Amino acid sequence: QKEVEQNSGPLSVPEGAIASLNCTYSDRGSQSFFWYRQYSGKSPELIMSIYSNGDKEDGRFTAQLNKASQYVSLLIRDSQPSDSATYLCAVNIGEGGYNKLIFGAGTRLAVHP
Amino acid sequence: DTGVSQNPRHKITKRGQNVTFRCDPISEHNRLYWYRQTLGQGPEFLTYFQNEAQLEKSRLLSDRFSAERPKGSFSTLEIQRTEQGDSAMYLCATVQGFGNSPLHFGNGTRLTVT
Repeated sequence: QKEVEQNSGPLSVPEGAIASLNCTYSDRGSQSFFWYRQYSGKSPELIMSIYSNGDKEDGRFTAQLNKASQYVSLLIRDSQPSDSATYLCAVNIGEGGYNKLIFGAGTRLAVHP
Repeated sequence: DTGVSQNPRHKITKRGQNVTFRCDPISEHNRLYWYRQTLGQGPEFLTYFQNEAQLEKSRLLSDRFSAERPKGSFSTLEIQRTEQGDSAMYLCATVQGFGNSPLHFGNGTRLTVT
């Protein structure tokens, strides 16, 4: 079992719709969770971080975390063509000050006009 | 501008040659990571520095790979006797302090081994 799993997609949604991206992880001790966006040929850029159960909203993005189910998701409201990218889920593995992020393979999102 | 600088941006080399990449972190960031990413995959952890100390190296990393961070500032990643399977994007990421803050990535170095 991979440590961080995501559906590879592509996830295709029409412009203006809600895109829902999901991620599961295996390490019950993980405390920090991140979503990165990566455009083709570019490096990952941080979109959201979440550390406690529940929802965290930032603009059009909402991250949801359920530690009991070992599940984290990202919702993108009012999807735009510019949101078309690969979304990487990253989970902290380690304790104390040692912060090693393990990434899923990413979900490719395509927003069509 | 992400603040983390990587050079070169692209490197094409022939199989068997040695290559070296450089990463300059954001100045106050004491922790530095190297990742490798191949097409269709997420970044894969290679190694981690806290200041000048290399604290972990991935078990998947062969002995042909070595990394240094001599003064706790910039870091280099060297690949000796490159193989075609080494072709990938090599990403450097840094973070300040301790705890669980997110990593900030550089633009990466794309290596092509012919």
